[in-house]
Amino acid sequence: QKEVEQDPGPLSVPEGAIVSLNCTYSNSAFQYFMWYRQYSRKGPELLMYTYSSGNKEDGRFTAQVDKSSKYISLFIRDSQPSDSATYLCAMNTYQGAQKLVFGQGTRLTINP
Amino acid sequence: DSGVTQTPKHLITATGQRVTLRCSPRSGDLSVYWYQQSLDQGLQFLIQYYNGEERAKGNILERFSAQQFPDLHSELNLSSLELGDSALYFCASSVAAGATDTQYFGPGTRLTVL
Repeated sequence: QKEVEQDPGPLSVPEGAIVSLNCTYSNSAFQYFMWYRQYSRKGPELLMYTYSSGNKEDGRFTAQVDKSSKYISLFIRDSQPSDSATYLCAMNTYQGAQKLVFGQGTRLTINP
Repeated sequence: DSGVTQTPKHLITATGQRVTLRCSPRSGDLSVYWYQQSLDQGLQFLIQYYNGEERAKGNILERFSAQQFPDLHSELNLSSLELGDSALYFCASSVAAGATDTQYFGPGTRLTVL
């Protein structure tokens, strides 16, 4: 069983919809949680970073962490075609180094 | 553009061969990370260097090695290549090695082993 599980999709939604992306994890030592976005043929780029349980909002994006359930989510409001990409969750325990553990990634398509 | 550069963009080689991938971090960044991305394993952390010293190791095979030079660029050496080593290899850099330092990824090197 992988430490981080993420539904690979693909997920296809109409423009303007609210998108929910999720990851579950098994290692209770994970403290830092991130969401990366990866466009086709590009490297991942950091979207959101959270440390504790709760919500963090940045524009149309909201990251949610529930440590008790070992579950993290990314919500995208008013989705745009430019949001079409693969979204990867990542997390780490940080014991002196960022050894990120990534989910498989969810491929998202926003249809105009 | 993240500011991290990787060369070459594509590499095609044969089993048993040895290749070197190169990464130049963003100006001012001291940490360099290497990742492997394949369809079946996803994105996996290989190794991190900070200011020339190895800082952390992940799922890096013994056939693979890396180093960071005094000018902070890094090289990932892959030897005795196997078909299963075909993947995208990403380099990332961050300003330091702290828990919240953002990693900026390069465009990757696509390695194909025939």
